[in-house]
Amino acid sequence: GAGVSQTPSNKVTEKGKYVELRCDPISGHTALYWYRQSLGQGPEFLIYFQGTGAADDSGLPNDRFFAVRPEGSVSTLKIQRTERGDSAVYLCASSAFIPRGQHTGELFFGEGSRLTVL
Amino acid sequence: QKEVEQNSGPLSVPEGAIASLNCTYSDRGSQSFFWYRQYSGKSPELIMSIYSNGDKEDGRFTAQLNKASQYVSLLIRDSQPSDSATYLCAVFSQAAGNKLTFGGGTRVLVKP
Repeated sequence: GAGVSQTPSNKVTEKGKYVELRCDPISGHTALYWYRQSLGQGPEFLIYFQGTGAADDSGLPNDRFFAVRPEGSVSTLKIQRTERGDSAVYLCASSAFIPRGQHTGELFFGEGSRLTVL
Repeated sequence: QKEVEQNSGPLSVPEGAIASLNCTYSDRGSQSFFWYRQYSGKSPELIMSIYSNGDKEDGRFTAQLNKASQYVSLLIRDSQPSDSATYLCAVFSQAAGNKLTFGGGTRVLVKP
């Protein structure tokens, strides 16, 4: 597709349930990022993939959060035993590398998945 | 100390005036700097990127970078009501693991 696609756009769940959020990046973008944004705050880094591997997962808040990107394209963010504090907008972004293997740092965001945990 | 700091605002400017937004960052190894605009309920949209010291102009927007002072700014000339949004400063560092770190954003209100 032309842009980063995220599904679902809205997810309401109950405390303790399992949730999956999906991200389909811009075609050809090898770098994929997940961020979380709470109301009135800037996006908070969660995890970064380069290809299939998680290059940096230092932003994941605890072991209830996990993300995969098995074929180097679509990524899924998985949250186990959801808590009310997990309520936020989860943003996915992708980025290209320029020919010399450098990262431009220019990220293109999807519209986000709004998660509400009741 | 936060890695990227911005005044949360709101910054209220009359239509047609210049809006001036500031951002400071802590990682001296950062090499790329960005301004994103975020309308309420929408995702961030890249509006400016700057990589070297000095000014960079694009339409009504001018980004300024001073690496020695670890300072980035954004000027919006001839502000329009449609510029009312939150502006996010973001700093990228390859040394820090290709991570883009955002400030908390400055809310700008342009009053007709």
